[in-house]
Amino acid sequence: DAGVTQSPTHLIKTRGQQVTLRCSPKSGHDTVSWYQQALGQGPQFIFQYYEEEERQRGNFPDRFSGHQFPNYSSELNVNALLLGDSALYLCASSFKVRLGEYFGPGTRLTVL
Amino acid sequence: AQKITQTQPGMFVQEKEAVTLDCTYDTSDPSYGLFWYKQPSSGEMIFLIYQGSYDQQNATEGRYSLNFQKARKSANLVISASQLGDSAMYFCAMREGDAGGTSYGKLTFGQGTILTVHP
Repeated sequence: DAGVTQSPTHLIKTRGQQVTLRCSPKSGHDTVSWYQQALGQGPQFIFQYYEEEERQRGNFPDRFSGHQFPNYSSELNVNALLLGDSALYLCASSFKVRLGEYFGPGTRLTVL
Repeated sequence: AQKITQTQPGMFVQEKEAVTLDCTYDTSDPSYGLFWYKQPSSGEMIFLIYQGSYDQQNATEGRYSLNFQKARKSANLVISASQLGDSAMYFCAMREGDAGGTSYGKLTFGQGTILTVHP
């Protein structure tokens, strides 16, 4: 049973560019959340998707947008990249809270 | 607003000994869930243990137990019989409005504690 998968593993972009990160949830999971983790910090919640709708959003600008597809996979898009967007982007999927959210290995984004 | 505080930037423990990682939280919501995650150097967050605010007993999962003191708003993680593979970053997290059976809502994480297990 495959867990949460994310692609790509690493990504290097320059300021002003746009990036799309992808996530496939664990089998049977219908909720996908995205987190940004700066170096040495705890993850920060970006948004959560359920039934193809954004259900909750954290304190991130509109440059951060997302999408969930009918098969529950999800994309995170970031426009007009800033140096401060450099971070590990984690995708998490879940179904029942007591089982915890399952995190993917993350995408390491570097903005130059 | 919900907040998680982990006051120990780093902890050291001898192999086979027990260690406690501290976590305090702040919320005005009477319904919430508390989580501990392990993050090895590879980066993937691994779920360890969950405690609901209405749970009467402390949660346990193998070598992990959660010392839940509701009045003090603390949720410390206890790892018994430490192993070298336990060396990692550990995060405490909380979700408000936790009904014990849904996964709605964001997780708020603390700053983390780096645990180093010595042989």
